[in-house]
Amino acid sequence: QSVLTQPPSASGTPGQRVTISCSGSSSNIGSKTVNWYQQLPGTAPKLLIYSKNQRPSGVPDRFSGSKSGTSASLAISGLQSEDEADYYCAAWDDSLNGCVFGSGTKVTVL
Amino acid sequence: EVQLVESGGGLVQPGRSLRLSCAASGFIFDDYAMHWVRQAPGKGLEWVSSISWNSDTIYYADSVKGRFTISRDNAKNSLFLQMNSLRAEDTALYYCASSESLHGYFDYWGQGTLVTVSS
Repeated sequence: QSVLTQPPSASGTPGQRVTISCSGSSSNIGSKTVNWYQQLPGTAPKLLIYSKNQRPSGVPDRFSGSKSGTSASLAISGLQSEDEADYYCAAWDDSLNGCVFGSGTKVTVL
Repeated sequence: EVQLVESGGGLVQPGRSLRLSCAASGFIFDDYAMHWVRQAPGKGLEWVSSISWNSDTIYYADSVKGRFTISRDNAKNSLFLQMNSLRAEDTALYYCASSESLHGYFDYWGQGTLVTVSS
């Protein structure tokens, strides 16, 4: 059972906006930065969003992150077929002294 | 170009040991903290262990504490994971990843090496 809670799935049609939630606690999301990773089918995870809504070079600005209290969310605007992937939130946890990942959300483009 | 290449995975019997390696290139290895993250077949990501740039600070997930040992050789740009007393539940694809700070985001990932624990 993951420390961070994500919905198992999300979907949308091309061009729609999809939002993925990530719920944690005061020892992780509440006090640490939240990072998001994208894992395309059959590939290694890739950093998608880090720190305060920063995107690594090459990540489209359709992806954005936000945080409020002990919850965070990832938004994908203008959904595209290549966005079909698993998405994971993650944060350092001061109580566990380790990184904690969300359970992952599979995004399907209808 | 940053590259992280894991090796050392394979099929091993329960209770036995295995040592994973991660060869790094394309960046200044001893400027970065390093991590191991695993993914069981069809499951999500699970953090395993982290080591600071100078090996002074090391963390382990409770699920592997006392059985796994992380280490690094900055002269050889290499990261290691010594896995002892392996269990069926350790079966997973093991990724190494880098980060600028020990508690920070994982900016680069390898392609993973598969460990299968089975009799």
